[in-house]
Amino acid sequence: DIVMTQSPDSLAVSLGERATINCKSSQSVLYSSNNNNYLAWYQQRPGQPPKLLIYWASTRESGVPDRFSGSGSGTDFTLTISSLQAEDVAVYYCQQYYSTPRTFGQGTKLEIK
Amino acid sequence: QITLKESGPTLVKPTQTLTLTCTFSGFSLSTSEVGVGWIRQPPGRALEWLALIYWDDDKRYTPSLKSRLTITKDTSKNQVILTMTNMDPVDTATYYCAHLLYNSGWFRYWGQGTRVTVSS
Repeated sequence: DIVMTQSPDSLAVSLGERATINCKSSQSVLYSSNNNNYLAWYQQRPGQPPKLLIYWASTRESGVPDRFSGSGSGTDFTLTISSLQAEDVAVYYCQQYYSTPRTFGQGTKLEIK
Repeated sequence: QITLKESGPTLVKPTQTLTLTCTFSGFSLSTSEVGVGWIRQPPGRALEWLALIYWDDDKRYTPSLKSRLTITKDTSKNQVILTMTNMDPVDTATYYCAHLLYNSGWFRYWGQGTRVTVSS
């Protein structure tokens, strides 16, 4: 299994400030034949199902605000929220879909400082 | 518009078999490249990917639970069924079903989830 490890486990950021969440995979999720990283990011607000934010490591899902961005390649990835809004309080998960099982990270809880 | 909804018992006893149904609309599991997956989340904990099934009946399971899981589809009813045998209190969780495409792999559409408690 590919193990996904997120850091930090929790994060407190002031409104309007940048939030950065890291995700590391135990093996590369870059598929060399198409140069795509098989990595997605989700946001889960309390009591809600996860919501897709980013796929292919850096492609923003339709309707997701452009303050959300994804970067990285191979085994190291980052989700950045450029200017934190109150509605961004949530738990964020990365997921690899390079191989089965399609593992998730342990989650990063984002709060307002 | 794609929607999914999970249904099943809210309480099961240890050693019993859990059967969950995902009823969906807005797509068909007879359409090429379409799939449905199951993911669970114990209270206060992380998401855990369980299984998925594709339009061509290709099935994938998480290895740690493979001996206990069975995923099937009823295309005529727009349903995907997940069974999990020998339930244990550690299986207490919210169970989600979600839509995906074969050549992508991310879950764009999710159900609201169904809470299952395992207790005697």
